Amino acid sequence: QQQVKQSPQSLIVQKGGISIINCAYENTAFDYFPWYQQFPGKGPALLIAIRPDVSEKKEGRFTISFNKSAKQFSLHIMDSQPGDSATYFCAASELMNYGGATNKLIFGTGTLLAVQP
Amino acid sequence: DTAVSQTPKYLVTQMGNDKSIKCEQNLGHDTMYWYKQDSKKFLKIMFSYNNKELIINETVPNRFSPKSPDKAHLNLHINSLELGDSAVYFCASSQGTSGRVSYEQYFGPGTRLTVT
Repeated sequence: QQQVKQSPQSLIVQKGGISIINCAYENTAFDYFPWYQQFPGKGPALLIAIRPDVSEKKEGRFTISFNKSAKQFSLHIMDSQPGDSATYFCAASELMNYGGATNKLIFGTGTLLAVQP
Repeated sequence: DTAVSQTPKYLVTQMGNDKSIKCEQNLGHDTMYWYKQDSKKFLKIMFSYNNKELIINETVPNRFSPKSPDKAHLNLHINSLELGDSAVYFCASSQGTSGRVSYEQYFGPGTRLTVT
């Protein structure tokens, strides 16, 4: 059972355009929704994250939109650049506190973004 | 300074062998994780340790045994390697002590394991 569904699988955008990646989740207990960026041969790097008490968060050219009632969230990359070409993963988690906190990230299946010059 | 480091970066071995992957973080975090990324790039959590104690074990075969000698290190030992173990293994860490809890996880560069 895929708890976090991500689309599209791949995306081609022209330089300067807007890249939009969508995710949907099922578990209403999730309370943290990060996006990770991964370049070939590298580890996932935290890009931006949101908690369900806000509907939007913006950091530079990257914006997360969050719709709690629809259980959906999306990443918008404004003014997309060739350097943004990478695989993007959405994730969701619920903080678990067993005397020490741990945070089990459930990842989407990834979106391969190619920004053409 | 590398925040989360892993060794080795590449590991090629034959079926049936035993191998270990090491992870170290210098972020002062209390919680460390192992994730597996398969050939389709799907990332899945395997284990989580908080302050040297196992917290999450995601139905991983017993051939996989994590060990945390201290809260800055988390190693992964794999016995009797199988072809299906070929993947990229990522270590990650986050702050997880009561009063200083953070959701943010930081990943290492990964270890590409190839079993032939």
